[in-house]
Amino acid sequence: NAGVTQTPKFRVLKTGQSMTLLCAQDMNHEYMYWYRQDPGMGLRLIHYSVGEGTTAKGEVPDGYNVSRLKKQNFLLGLESAAPSQTSVYFCASTGVGEKLFFGSGTQLSVL
Amino acid sequence: AQSVTQPDIHITVSEGASLELRCNYSYGATPYLFWYVQSPGQGLQLLLKYFSGDTLVQGIKGFEAEFKRSQSSFNLRKPSVHWSDAAEYFCAVGAPSGTYKYIFGTGTRLKVLA
Repeated sequence: NAGVTQTPKFRVLKTGQSMTLLCAQDMNHEYMYWYRQDPGMGLRLIHYSVGEGTTAKGEVPDGYNVSRLKKQNFLLGLESAAPSQTSVYFCASTGVGEKLFFGSGTQLSVL
Repeated sequence: AQSVTQPDIHITVSEGASLELRCNYSYGATPYLFWYVQSPGQGLQLLLKYFSGDTLVQGIKGFEAEFKRSQSSFNLRKPSVHWSDAAEYFCAVGAPSGTYKYIFGTGTRLKVLA
């Protein structure tokens, strides 16, 4: 099992550019999450999904959109990137009564 | 509202000393509770978790945590710290039903003196 796979691992954007981060899990998990990690702020929940076709806002959703068209995939989009979105992004998934399984992270820099 | 507070941003202990990292949460019922550790440039590793049952939970690397409902706390402890324990520690709270949100604290960075 690959677990949770995030692509890409690194990306540099210019202000105003758009991009999509892909998260894929092969554990048949219902629940998937996108977090951003910034120094001194821990992991903050951006958006999450409790099943295929559903999404919900987390703690810091502004500037991001998500989609869960297939159960195994959870996409995070930045429509118009800003320097404040420079961060490390982690995807995670879980099932009922399980721990969170994390991807290896995406380091995003917005210049 | 669901929230997690880790009051200590930095903690420094001497190698061999005992350790306690604090975690307080806010949630309307008994949540899922976790402690994760992250070394620099690395991902998050689960130390231990509490879902239900015995309130004293044993984890990996000699760590334990105690769920205290009356204090809304889930503090992490280790009787004797090793230099390799230097890292950042995160407490997390999960909603076991309904929203299924998982919220993390801001972390405690542990420094170990030789």
